[in-house]
Amino acid sequence: GESVGLHLPTLSVQEGDNSIINCAYSNSASDYFIWYKQESGKGPQFIIDIRSNMDKRQGQRVTVLLNKTVKHLSLQIAATQPGDSAVYFCAESGSWGKLQFGAGTQVVVTP
Amino acid sequence: KAGVTQTPRYLIKTRGQQVTLSCSPISGHRSVSWYQQTPGQGLQFLFEYFSETQRNKGNFPGRFSGRQFSNSRSEMNVSTLELGDSALYLCASSLGDQNSPLHFGNGTRLTVT
Repeated sequence: GESVGLHLPTLSVQEGDNSIINCAYSNSASDYFIWYKQESGKGPQFIIDIRSNMDKRQGQRVTVLLNKTVKHLSLQIAATQPGDSAVYFCAESGSWGKLQFGAGTQVVVTP
Repeated sequence: KAGVTQTPRYLIKTRGQQVTLSCSPISGHRSVSWYQQTPGQGLQFLFEYFSETQRNKGNFPGRFSGRQFSNSRSEMNVSTLELGDSALYLCASSLGDQNSPLHFGNGTRLTVT
């Protein structure tokens, strides 16, 4: 079936550097994508979303890029901080309330 | 604005028992979705409710059921618990249209022994 997948299971980043987390999706009809951050013991926290009529969207220290040609999403985190250490999920919106989640990428910020 | 609240945070049950989990959505949100999260399967969609009606359902057996009340609060029930039901159960709320983000609670950790 259709799926959303992440390329890297673990990403180690030095504090202050920029992080890039990648995600591939397979359903070319998908029109809404969301990035979530999940810290240990907590539920997924909404970071940023993007609709298929956009290529780029910026938030506070985060930017999401969407390349529909190759069905690829990325999340860029500027000036990564220790508090950014978490698992990051991309999700593809389907029918009512149903999100197809990727496997997740563990981001580890080192001092 | 208060976030999504799930109770209880932790539950330990015995195989064969049943369990009810509760979720209070963000004020003004009429849609509540439930997800199961396990290390092996990741996040899997259970079902979604909007205005007390189930609009969508995932591929889980009938032992998993839910309901939504007129104040948008939701409960999910799992009957005849199996060891494999041990998981983090997450509730998410949203405005209910197709392109509104889901906002998740911190989940209920269910352990079946």
